[in-house]
Amino acid sequence: GEDVEQSLFLSVREGDSSVINCTYTDSSSTYLYWYKQEPGAGLQLLTYIFSNMDMKQDQRLTVLLNKKDKHLSLRIADTQTGDSAIYFCAERNQAGTALIFGKGTTLSVSS
Amino acid sequence: DTAVSQTPKYLVTQMGNDKSIKCEQNLGHDTMYWYKQDSKKFLKIMFSYNNKELIINETVPNRFSPKSPDKAHLNLHINSLELGDSAVYFCASSQDAGGTNYEQYFGPGTRLTVT
Repeated sequence: GEDVEQSLFLSVREGDSSVINCTYTDSSSTYLYWYKQEPGAGLQLLTYIFSNMDMKQDQRLTVLLNKKDKHLSLRIADTQTGDSAIYFCAERNQAGTALIFGKGTTLSVSS
Repeated sequence: DTAVSQTPKYLVTQMGNDKSIKCEQNLGHDTMYWYKQDSKKFLKIMFSYNNKELIINETVPNRFSPKSPDKAHLNLHINSLELGDSAVYFCASSQDAGGTNYEQYFGPGTRLTVT
């Protein structure tokens, strides 16, 4: 079945780069997404990547996609304390009608 | 202006009661969704509605029923509430269900506590 896996925790120091990793099972996924959830808030779409791309950069965010290994990563450059949140990786389901979310990676940034 | 709004933000109720959560989007999107986030932060799709038609319905008890009076609203009704229903419920919307404009925009969530 469809499944998305992420490590649950990541701790970094302010100013360092953060890399959050995700693996997915559905090789037919066309779009893969990264969402951010701050404490007590809803999910905010950070970025997404189409399956025919290897990399997408958006300011401090870099998304890398390895389709062969079904591996997706999100790199946050110059991580700030305001980046502390839960980051969810998501893929579309096979029918293309909903998102399948990973369990979320809690990023903790210390000053 | 809030894109996707939900009411109430917090809901505390007793087992056995029936309750509703309302959702509205002002983005002009065609598809709306309900997700459940449990205490471990795991997010699961519950329902989605496209043009007033239910297009997915995961393994959700039939005590949960979505109601869409129009394209901009998708309400969630829950009958005979149980302790295990305690969670945060998120509403979301997207421009379409299967095309390229699929980014989902989430509401702020409704924290339901069943005592």
